[in-house]
Amino acid sequence: DAGVTQSPTHLIKTRGQQVTLRCSPKSGHDTVSWYQQALGQGPQFIFQYYEEEERQRGNFPDRFSGHQFPNYSSELNVNALLLGDSALYLCASSLNQGDEQYFGPGTRLTVT
Amino acid sequence: AQSVSQHNHHVILSEAASLELGCNYSYGGTVNLFWYVQYPGQHLQLLLKYFSGDPLVKGIKGFEAEFIKSKFSFNLRKPSVQWSDTAEYFCAVNDSGRGSTLGRLYFGRGTQLTVWP
Repeated sequence: DAGVTQSPTHLIKTRGQQVTLRCSPKSGHDTVSWYQQALGQGPQFIFQYYEEEERQRGNFPDRFSGHQFPNYSSELNVNALLLGDSALYLCASSLNQGDEQYFGPGTRLTVT
Repeated sequence: AQSVSQHNHHVILSEAASLELGCNYSYGGTVNLFWYVQYPGQHLQLLLKYFSGDPLVKGIKGFEAEFIKSKFSFNLRKPSVQWSDTAEYFCAVNDSGRGSTLGRLYFGRGTQLTVWP
């Protein structure tokens, strides 16, 4: 049973560029949440998708957007990258919105 | 908004010592509580969780945590640590009673535990 998978593992981008990160949830899970983890900090909630709609959003600007597909996989898009967007981006899936969340290995984004 | 405090940023212990990591949260409503662990080079894994019932919950690898509602606390404990427990530990809270934020996890900044053999 595959757990949560994310791609790519690492990514280097230049300021102003756009990036797309991908996540496949654990088998049987229908809810996907995205978190940003800066160095030395705990994960910060970006948004959550359920039934292909954004259900909740954390305190992140509109440059951060996402999508959930009919197979429950999800994408996180970040436009107009800033140096401060450099972080580990974590995807988590759950059986429903309030259940425990299972985390993927993350995508390490470096913005230069 | 909910906030989570982990007061110990780095804890250093010798093997067989006892461990207690503190976690406090701010919102006093109905909450679900979690401890996650991140071993070096690995992803976040769930150690234990509290949803309801017995406030003393047991998790994997001999860890346990006690929910004290009056103190807004959910401290993690282990009676005897091992070198393999070296990892970063995160406390997380989910406002289970607030529909608008259901499912959103609020994390503390983490505690790095180093165990010397």
